[in-house]
Amino acid sequence: NAGVTQTPKFQVLKTGQSMTLQCAQDMNHNSMYWYRQDPGMGLRLIYYSASEGTTDKGEVPNGYNVSRLNKREFSLRLESAAPSQTSVYFCASSDEGIQETQYFGPGTRLLVL
Amino acid sequence: KNEVEQSPQNLTAQEGEFITINCSYSVGISALHWLQQHPGGGIVSLFMLSSGKKKHGRLIATINIQEKHSSLHITASHPRDSAVYICAAFNTDKLIFGTGTRLQVFP
Repeated sequence: NAGVTQTPKFQVLKTGQSMTLQCAQDMNHNSMYWYRQDPGMGLRLIYYSASEGTTDKGEVPNGYNVSRLNKREFSLRLESAAPSQTSVYFCASSDEGIQETQYFGPGTRLLVL
Repeated sequence: KNEVEQSPQNLTAQEGEFITINCSYSVGISALHWLQQHPGGGIVSLFMLSSGKKKHGRLIATINIQEKHSSLHITASHPRDSAVYICAAFNTDKLIFGTGTRLQVFP
């Protein structure tokens, strides 16, 4: 039982490049989330998926897209990376809804040059 | 002013000390979470509470809805408790995170 897994752990991009961050959970959770964490700021929600087949914008969605591929997997795509997207990205999941206990992945550290 | 504020921002303690971390919020909430972020970056949920008090091992979380305040206490602190502790308030349909309290416990 791996919980929530994320790949890659670390990535360096040049401005304008694209990439997809992968997230998978094996807890049969309905809801999944993508957050970013920046120094001096609290975690901020980028996108979430309340259930398979649905996605919604969070607090900071600009520059990102998501895909809820199936119940297990929720990916985050940066179409044209910008230095402002340098951050640590966390995927999380919960059984039912954002108010429930969330289980976090190990994070992806992204540097955009 | 942030809707969720934590104090102190940084805290150092000697092993064995009793630790208190505070979280105040300015919005109406229906639940509050405490999370622990390890030095390696991983985040673990510790508590979710909407009233009263919860205890797990040496950790105790309390909340006073009327005063819009929650505390996380650590009894008999240990160096392995060194981490960033984050509170997050659930308001309507979103989770608002504090910026965290960095705790270092020295032997």
